[in-house]
Formats: sequence, C-alpha cells, structure tokens
Amino acid sequence: QVQLQESGPGLVNPSETLSLTCTVSGGSFSNSYWTWIRQTPQKGLEWIGYMSYSGDTNYNPSLMGRVTVSIDTSKSQFSLRLKSVTAADTAVYYCARILGGSAWRRNYFDPWGQGTLVTVSS
Amino acid sequence: QSVLTQPPSVSGAPGQRVTISCTGGSSNIGANYDVHWYQQVPGTAPKLLIYGDNNRPSGVPDRFSGSKSGASASLAITGLQAEDEADYYCQSYDSSLNGYWLFGGGTKLTVL
Repeated sequence: QVQLQESGPGLVNPSETLSLTCTVSGGSFSNSYWTWIRQTPQKGLEWIGYMSYSGDTNYNPSLMGRVTVSIDTSKSQFSLRLKSVTAADTAVYYCARILGGSAWRRNYFDPWGQGTLVTVSS
Repeated sequence: QSVLTQPPSVSGAPGQRVTISCTGGSSNIGANYDVHWYQQVPGTAPKLLIYGDNNRPSGVPDRFSGSKSGASASLAITGLQAEDEADYYCQSYDSSLNGYWLFGGGTKLTVL
C-alpha cells in the first residue's frame, strides 16, 4: 500500500526557509493529489497546501505568500518550502495523500506520513 | 478563518457509548460539505477513521460511526475499549476566501 515519508532539517533559523520533502512509495504517484499538514499544541492540525500531479496548487490563506509546494514525478516526491519562518512555525509536519476525487468538498487525507518535527530557533 | 469546534475532552467507561461533536458554520459543514474523522494515538500520525460523513475505511471496526445534521457532525463510539483512548479530529472543507480544508481542535477521549 501507499507509504509516505517526510525528510528534511529538524532545525531552522528564524527568518530562513523551511524545506521538506515527502517520498511516496508502494503505489501510484501520478493521478493523485498530495498535501502538507502541520500540527502544533497551540493551533492543532493546520492544512498548509496541496499540489496535484498536473501541477495545480492551493494554499491555506493564512500562509499564502510564504508557502510553495512543488512536485517531482520522476522521483515520486513532493516538497514544501515555507519562507521567513518564526517560532510560530515550529510544528510536526505531515505529508499525506488526498482522496475523495476532484471535488474539494469531499476530500480527505489518507494515508499520512509519520511526521517530522521542525523547530525554528537560533 | 472559520473554525470547527470540538469539546476538549470526553470520557467513558469500557463498554459504554460516547459521542464527539464537531460544530461548524454556513461555509463548511452547514454548506453540506463532507465531514471526516481521524484518530490520533499520542506520538503517531493521525489515522483516517470515518470519511464522507459516515463511511468506514477497511479495517475500522463498526463500533465507530459518523453522522451529520445541519452545521454539526458527530462521531459515535460504542462498546468503548481501552485501545480507543486517543485524540479525535474532525475535518471538512470551507468555501470562504479561496477555499481550504480545516480541522477541528481535537477531542481527547479517556477510557476510565
């Protein structure tokens, strides 16, 4: 079955750019939609952004302008870049597959990666 | 941004039935957008529990069920077991701004 694994630095300096990669294995990467979600004790689960295999994207309005999701179909990977980070961006970051078809009102997330903790601190 | 409101905690004894509510508004659950539920055991990633209001993925026991009415949804767990102790989150879509997915704040279920 499909498995996802996040990777990237666990520590990022304030004002710099957070970069993570999600590697997908065990299933079809193409014809799917992929997403990033983060979790903090203060704000709980927060959807970050998504990208389709064809390059369509959408981002959480609260993060618009700072976030970019990209995809590399040749490597079955998709990536997250969040710039100008602050301590408020310290979180566990998850990647996940989007299911439910092309209607956003039906979409849900399954499976999820195990998550990776990113701390923003100097 | 809109929010989905869940009770911070619920509890029940083994064998009992508990429900967890998720209240939204006119731009999400009240607009008849699907509600989904996730279970998260501490230290692990959320796991899909219910999708499309009341559908269980393969492998999820039928002790778990979902429902929706108006701008609210509920997760019911019957025959409570110790292994059900976890955090539970609802999720839906919101059509405001440019459209986005949102989660409830989570509910910690304690099995007494």
